[in-house]
Amino acid sequence: KQEVTQIPAALSVPEGENLVLNCSFTDSAIYNLQWFRQDPGKGLTSLLLIQSSQREQTSGRLNASLDKSSGRSTLYIAASQPGDSATYLCAVRPESNTGKLIFGQGTTLQVKP
Amino acid sequence: DTGVSQNPRHKITKRGQNVTFRCDPISEHNRLYWYRQTLGQGPEFLTYFQNEAQLEKSRLLSDRFSAERPKGSFSTLEIQRTEQGDSAMYLCASSIRSGFLSSGNTIYFGEGSWLTVV
Repeated sequence: KQEVTQIPAALSVPEGENLVLNCSFTDSAIYNLQWFRQDPGKGLTSLLLIQSSQREQTSGRLNASLDKSSGRSTLYIAASQPGDSATYLCAVRPESNTGKLIFGQGTTLQVKP
Repeated sequence: DTGVSQNPRHKITKRGQNVTFRCDPISEHNRLYWYRQTLGQGPEFLTYFQNEAQLEKSRLLSDRFSAERPKGSFSTLEIQRTEQGDSAMYLCASSIRSGFLSSGNTIYFGEGSWLTVV
């Protein structure tokens, strides 16, 4: 059974710091991995999607990496801003590509001005 | 393209009542998903449709839950005889099933429908 774990559960940093969020998964047979952002009481906003054949994806100040064989992904946020404060969720799609996503519990990030 | 739309956004109901949520996916998205999320947890998969066919259902989806997508467009999620444990946010998402376009594998979520059972 696929399990997704995100560490740390919460993180507080001063504005301007670079930071890394971690995601690990137990079954390397994945189709892709997606990082989402969720603001309190809101839905999920897709940030980056990495196909199983890819090693990383970049969008602006965000960079996500994937090491499928070791079951790890990281989300790197450069020059953090207070507006980055949110919960970040990673989710894997099984190799069968049924469309089902399996989520971690998320990392809640607070960026202090 | 207005994104995934969910209604109502908030619903408070008494235990034992039935509730129905509606989801309008992004136009031309052939896959539609329902997830449930409780506070402090990641979303949990409930079910998904490809066009009008319901292809997978989670064991979380008890007999009191039913989802439909009659014409392969919008979908409804009905919960009968609600219980306090049903209180959660119900998220709908959609995507295009495509093996050729990487962007087509991205799953887009709506804002969610909050259910409180009192």
